Amino acid sequence: EDQVTQSPEALRLQEGESSSLNCSYTVSGLRGLFWYRQDPGKGPEFLFTLYSAGEEKEKERLKATLTKKESFLHITAPKPEDSATYLCAVQARGDRGSTLGRLYFGRGTQLTVWP
Amino acid sequence: NAGVMQNPRHLVRRRGQEARLRCSPMKGHSHVYWYRQLPEEGLKFMVYLQKENIIDESGMPKERFSAEFPKEGPSILRIQQVVRGDSAAYFCASSPGYGNQPQHFGDGTRLSIL
Repeated sequence: EDQVTQSPEALRLQEGESSSLNCSYTVSGLRGLFWYRQDPGKGPEFLFTLYSAGEEKEKERLKATLTKKESFLHITAPKPEDSATYLCAVQARGDRGSTLGRLYFGRGTQLTVWP
Repeated sequence: NAGVMQNPRHLVRRRGQEARLRCSPMKGHSHVYWYRQLPEEGLKFMVYLQKENIIDESGMPKERFSAEFPKEGPSILRIQQVVRGDSAAYFCASSPGYGNQPQHFGDGTRLSIL
């Protein structure tokens, strides 16, 4: 069964202390890997899509990378406003090469950045 | 606001009542997805719809739950005869079309069952 596992479950960083979040996945055929940010009481906010191993995407202090088995979300010099839960999701390839619309989500990493 | 709109934001029902959750997709998006988030759990897929068509309902319970996306108006997730275990946050997402384009989410409906 397709699965997504995120680690660590929670991460506390001091402002400016860089770190990485991990997302490992097992799917029958990856069509896309997605990173979202979720604030309390809100819906997931789209950050990045990665489609193939070796691909990288950057946005401000965030950089996402992808290998054949996992993805990393690197946070450089984080600020308190980066505090949120970061979610990883994958979309799989269905039979006959079609894309299954559904996303499989990990449980997320709750990031807290303190001043 | 051109984002995905969900209403109501909070819904309280007594056991046995019906709950109706609404979702208007982003402008230009024709595909809608519903997910459920239980406390301490991740988002779980329920159903994928296009206008007047259910594409994939494999994540939806066989009984009491139904979804529609009519030609006109919002998508509706309907839960009949609600039970305590239905208490959760229900999120709707939309995307422009087929393929691996990102899904954009609304802020959810928090359903509480008394």
